[in-house]
Amino acid sequence: DGGITQSPKYLFRKEGQNVTLSCEQNLNHDAMYWYRQDPGQGLRLIYYSQIVNDFQKGDIAEGYSVSREKKESFPLTVTSAQKNPTAFYLCASSMDGFQPQHFGDGTRLSIL
Amino acid sequence: EDQVTQSPEALRLQEGESSSLNCSYTVSGLRGLFWYRQDPGKGPEFLFTLYSAGEEKEKERLKATLTKKESFLHITAPKPEDSATYLCAVPRGNQAGTALIFGKGTTLSVSS
Repeated sequence: DGGITQSPKYLFRKEGQNVTLSCEQNLNHDAMYWYRQDPGQGLRLIYYSQIVNDFQKGDIAEGYSVSREKKESFPLTVTSAQKNPTAFYLCASSMDGFQPQHFGDGTRLSIL
Repeated sequence: EDQVTQSPEALRLQEGESSSLNCSYTVSGLRGLFWYRQDPGKGPEFLFTLYSAGEEKEKERLKATLTKKESFLHITAPKPEDSATYLCAVPRGNQAGTALIFGKGTTLSVSS
């Protein structure tokens, strides 16, 4: 079945540590997105990529980094500069910005 | 500034009690409006796309409608399994290389 796979489901970060969240899709979508979801805040856009080797900052990119070396993969690194990383992180993909996005089941990141 | 506002934030219904959720938007040149359902701890699940005023889409007990300023998600005779958070979203700007703006969602609870 085609879909989006996020891993791990749960992740714990130590002080000063960088952690990487994985997102893989087999839908042959060109565009991929990362969102952060906090209670009462809705989905906030971190980064997005319309094509391989290109990506743009979203509304809350500070403290995060991404890469898009393959069409299928869009990993997100939460750096030590992100002082409040505890949240639910969602990855999505779509054919382009005007098409529906399809989501993975998220990674919940917590601080140790 | 492009904006999406959903109301109410929370809605409690008895099984069989029909109601509507509202999504109002302020974007220049609407290029589609998307409705999603999100269960706790899961990624949003795509429900509908609406492209022009007057358009309607239906799926089981759900019907989505669109005007020039807002969209409604009508829930007819809801069941407890319809309990979830419902999100709406619109594309930012007029270029295909863009991302979605999400509302904060309406959390629906249906009791038997």
